[in-house]
Amino acid sequence: QKEVEQDPGPLSVPEGAIVSLNCTYSNSAFQYFMWYRQYSRKGPELLMYTYSSGNKEDGRFTAQVDKSSKYISLFIRDSQPSDSATYLCAMSAMYSGGGADGLTFGKGTHLIIQP
Amino acid sequence: DAGVTQSPTHLIKTRGQHVTLRCSPISGHKSVSWYQQVLGQGPQFIFQYYEKEERGRGNFPDRFSARQFPNYSSELNVNALLLGDSALYLCASSSLAGGETQYFGPGTRLLVL
Repeated sequence: QKEVEQDPGPLSVPEGAIVSLNCTYSNSAFQYFMWYRQYSRKGPELLMYTYSSGNKEDGRFTAQVDKSSKYISLFIRDSQPSDSATYLCAMSAMYSGGGADGLTFGKGTHLIIQP
Repeated sequence: DAGVTQSPTHLIKTRGQHVTLRCSPISGHKSVSWYQQVLGQGPQFIFQYYEKEERGRGNFPDRFSARQFPNYSSELNVNALLLGDSALYLCASSSLAGGETQYFGPGTRLLVL
């Protein structure tokens, strides 16, 4: 079992729909949770960053973390064709001073917003 | 302010050769991490450097090495290239050693023939 599971899609929805993207993970040490957007042949762009459990909202984007279920979500409201990209979840454990393990990523979900 | 910059953007090498990839972090950031992203997969952690010291290493062979310079820029070196090293190599910078909030550069696309 991989540390982070993410459905690769593709997920195709009509413009204006609410999009729900999800990841599950197995490592209970993860404390920091991120969502990145990656356009084809580009570097990942940080969208949302959450520490521990709870919700965070930024414009059309809402990130949710449920540590008890080891489940994180990203919601996109009023989706636009420009939102078409690959969405990567990423997470890391709290830095203990003994060394950094970097970010652990899911495979990414390919999202298509149909005009 | 400029974001993370990487050079070159594209590179073609043959098996057995050596490659050096370069990264300049966001101004004020002291931590640089390197990731390998194979097509269809998420990025995989290779190294993290903070204040010129290696702070973390992923599950990659010794053919991969890196260093960080006094100006916090970094180089990733890969020796004895294999076909399987073909990937997008990403550099990320952060202000903390823990690297929780990492900002990525555009990547270097390496093709090994």
